[in-house]
Amino acid sequence: GAGVSQSPRYKVAKRGQDVALRCDPISGHVSLFWYQQALGQGPEFLTYFQNEAQLDKSGLPSDRFFAERPEGSVSTLKIQRTQQEDSAVYLCASSSDRTGLKTQYFGPGTRLLVL
Amino acid sequence: KNEVEQSPQNLTAQEGEFITINCSYSVGISALHWLQQHPGGGIVSLFMLSSGKKKHGRLIATINIQEKHSSLHITASHPRDSAVYICAVVSGSRLTFGEGTQLTVNP
Repeated sequence: GAGVSQSPRYKVAKRGQDVALRCDPISGHVSLFWYQQALGQGPEFLTYFQNEAQLDKSGLPSDRFFAERPEGSVSTLKIQRTQQEDSAVYLCASSSDRTGLKTQYFGPGTRLLVL
Repeated sequence: KNEVEQSPQNLTAQEGEFITINCSYSVGISALHWLQQHPGGGIVSLFMLSSGKKKHGRLIATINIQEKHSSLHITASHPRDSAVYICAVVSGSRLTFGEGTQLTVNP
């Protein structure tokens, strides 16, 4: 009965470095969401997958951000040429529902610090 | 103006007090979530509702679709209720979040 897991839990990167953040959703969950949460703020939507299809990527802040879910399970969020403003907690959530209307189960997040 | 606004931003209460956190939104929604976030980041879904009222233990959530407003109530508050409470609305396929209400319950 594992929940959503994310790795690494903490990542320190030098400005300009590429990073890859991993999300393991609950087994069998169709929908997967990525969110960015800046310090003291609520999460903000980045992108949404239904199985392997990325149905909405309108929240990605720039073309340095890229997400994939090639086999419809594990997802990776990649940030190229990191900038200080990318420092945030990156949250992943999954849901058994195709519409996103049912409960989303959140992972613990990856705290990214760009120096 | 944010699409989802919560009030208050910060709330300090004494153990046993009745607590209300408010959420107003400006977009059309299909549902609204109340979430709890503890220090360290873990987010737990408390309620999802699209009409009326739901109750779970000491927690009660209400929504008025016409007024675009929802409230989260905590009865007989306890220090372990201390957390950030976040309202999030479902619009299309995405959640849009409020900035959260930091609740501190003192013994």
